Amino acid sequence: EVELVESGGGLVQPGRSLRLSCAASGFTFDDYAMHWVRQAPGKGLEWVSGISWSSATIGYADSVKGRFTISRDNAKNSLYLQMNSLRVEDTALYYCVKASGSYGSGSFRTWGQGTMVTVYS
Amino acid sequence: QSALTQPASVSGSPGQSITISCTGTSSDVGGYNYVSWYQQHPGKAPKVMIYDVSNRPSGVSNRFSGSKSGNTASLTISGLQAEDEAEYYCSSYRSGSTWVFGGGTKVTVL
Repeated sequence: EVELVESGGGLVQPGRSLRLSCAASGFTFDDYAMHWVRQAPGKGLEWVSGISWSSATIGYADSVKGRFTISRDNAKNSLYLQMNSLRVEDTALYYCVKASGSYGSGSFRTWGQGTMVTVYS
Repeated sequence: QSALTQPASVSGSPGQSITISCTGTSSDVGGYNYVSWYQQHPGKAPKVMIYDVSNRPSGVSNRFSGSKSGNTASLTISGLQAEDEAEYYCSSYRSGSTWVFGGGTKVTVL
């Protein structure tokens, strides 16, 4: 069974940093692109960042470009999101998502349960 | 990066059919066949209902169907049931190695 378990969320002040992690199991991790998608309280889904299986292709939403960095360690079956210069508007539930295949195709097939990030002033 | 445009809400009676639209541009919905639809119940993670415009993952009811014409994709739910009441989001690949979601549509079963 495919499982994605996020960790690393918490309370943080504006301007500080957090690193989110996602532990994947139940599938061949390096066969799939991976993404981070967030959802602010009471709001809709927002794609944050994605990475191809080889890390050759990486994309970011304009709202986080230059502040967030996505990475993966295929040997550890893990996905990461380094979040710097956090803003109040980054407050959201962050989902780790397994793609259905390669980076530029398919869908967001499997979702974790999310880790909450709260940026408070 | 603007979101795809969805109606805020759609409603229908049990047994009826409803359609949710998702309008983008030639850089996303109109340019790629990588439109997908997600169902989200309160407090739960989203679940993919349609991928690649019109394909259903195994286990998803055939009451759910998808289509696309130009820059607008659509999700149709036929034989509406109480359990279909949820928030629905469309998503598309967008040029420049990015992805985009719609703003979401609240489906209410009357």
